[in-house]
Amino acid sequence: DIQMTQSPSTLSASVGDRVTITCRASQNINSWLAWYQQKPGKAPKLLIYKASSLESGVPSRFSGSGSGTEFTLTISSLQPDDFATYYCQQYNSYSWTFGQGTKVEIK
Amino acid sequence: EVQLVETGGGLIQPGGSLRLSCAASGFTVSSNYMSWVRQAPGKGLEWVSVIYNGGSTYYADSVKGRFTISRDNSKNTLYLQINSLRAEDTAVYFCARAQVVIRGSAFDIWGQGTVVTVSS
Repeated sequence: DIQMTQSPSTLSASVGDRVTITCRASQNINSWLAWYQQKPGKAPKLLIYKASSLESGVPSRFSGSGSGTEFTLTISSLQPDDFATYYCQQYNSYSWTFGQGTKVEIK
Repeated sequence: EVQLVETGGGLIQPGGSLRLSCAASGFTVSSNYMSWVRQAPGKGLEWVSVIYNGGSTYYADSVKGRFTISRDNSKNTLYLQINSLRAEDTAVYFCARAQVVIRGSAFDIWGQGTVVTVSS
């Protein structure tokens, strides 16, 4: 099974900061990677698919990059609504795997 | 409006069974890959199962043999039958659509979740 490892687990940042979250896959997943945002008590929300494609309606301050085994999610200027937990997720060979999550907290 | 609505969660004793339902509107369940994802209290997301548009089904190793995913095309509804429930199955269960053609099987539509609590 493919394992997904996110870092850091927790990130403290201020409004306006540039934030980067990293996700590593245990084997090559090409670009079959998505990023989600989840707020407490809510369902996850798709932000990025195919590693770098922005989901419709998602602010352009969110961007994704990478391929193979190394991926990043970047928030160019953190906004108050962005404090949440972020998950990467891969799809490969009839299964999906999520990273363990990165909680973005107010500094 | 495109949406998914889960029902069927509750408090169940260890060893018991439960069937979760996920009613879709605004799109056709049978034309899509449909999945269940769960989240234990205070934990991350865990993929559970998928049913493909062609009917093939796949499961996470942690639930194989105990969970069964199915759908009713006439009701446009997805199901998850959960048997031999264990304490570690306690979680919020989400249904989600994996959008294949454009989004490379990313989950673009999610339900609000239904809570399953396994306890005596």
